[in-house]
Amino acid sequence: EAAVTQSPRSKVAVTGGKVTLSCHQTNNHDYMYWYRQDTGHGLRLIHYSYVADSTEKGDIPDGYKASRPSQENFSLILELASLSQTAVYFCASSDASWGNTGQLYFGEGSKLTVL
Amino acid sequence: SQWGEENLQALSIQEGEDVTMNCSYKTYTTVVHWYRQDSGRGPALIILIRSNEREKRSGRLRATLDTSSQSSSLSITAAQCEDTAVYFCATGASSFSKLVFGQGTSLSVVP
Repeated sequence: EAAVTQSPRSKVAVTGGKVTLSCHQTNNHDYMYWYRQDTGHGLRLIHYSYVADSTEKGDIPDGYKASRPSQENFSLILELASLSQTAVYFCASSDASWGNTGQLYFGEGSKLTVL
Repeated sequence: SQWGEENLQALSIQEGEDVTMNCSYKTYTTVVHWYRQDSGRGPALIILIRSNEREKRSGRLRATLDTSSQSSSLSITAAQCEDTAVYFCATGASSFSKLVFGQGTSLSVVP
């Protein structure tokens, strides 16, 4: 019954290759986010979206693209994967509407290793 | 440095002890979220405190917020081994705003 599901959960990619991480939510939330977590560090925002067919840059968007084809789905795309993009990636959704808390609901994470 | 780029702080305590974790923020904030992340899992919200609240309690958890010093704290009373996790604070200017995460505290509770 997980409300935010990510795939793949783990991936090994080669440098220069293309990687797509997918996220699906059943929370009926408008907002979706992609965060990056490096070992021993906090979460940094890569891209987010508040409506289908529109994405916004977060704090560290360089080297990443995002796609929101529907309210439920949000993808993170690495066109040319690099060693420095080895990390765990988390997708999240939130109901950031007036009067709500903006609580984030996270997926289980996608561990990406670039060799 | 930006939040998220700093190393996690680490705390180790004995079961039954109380512990407090601190969080300072730099921008206008109306809400502070505290998330818990278990090993290999995504973070999950455990308590939230708004700018018009000075203190919020939930079971053994207590969050405080001091907007004048731009700081928040999370306390756990009588910590249990199952409280072992990484704890993050996250702040936002409103429910519409993207949250900014702190560097986190890795808490280890040992028997």
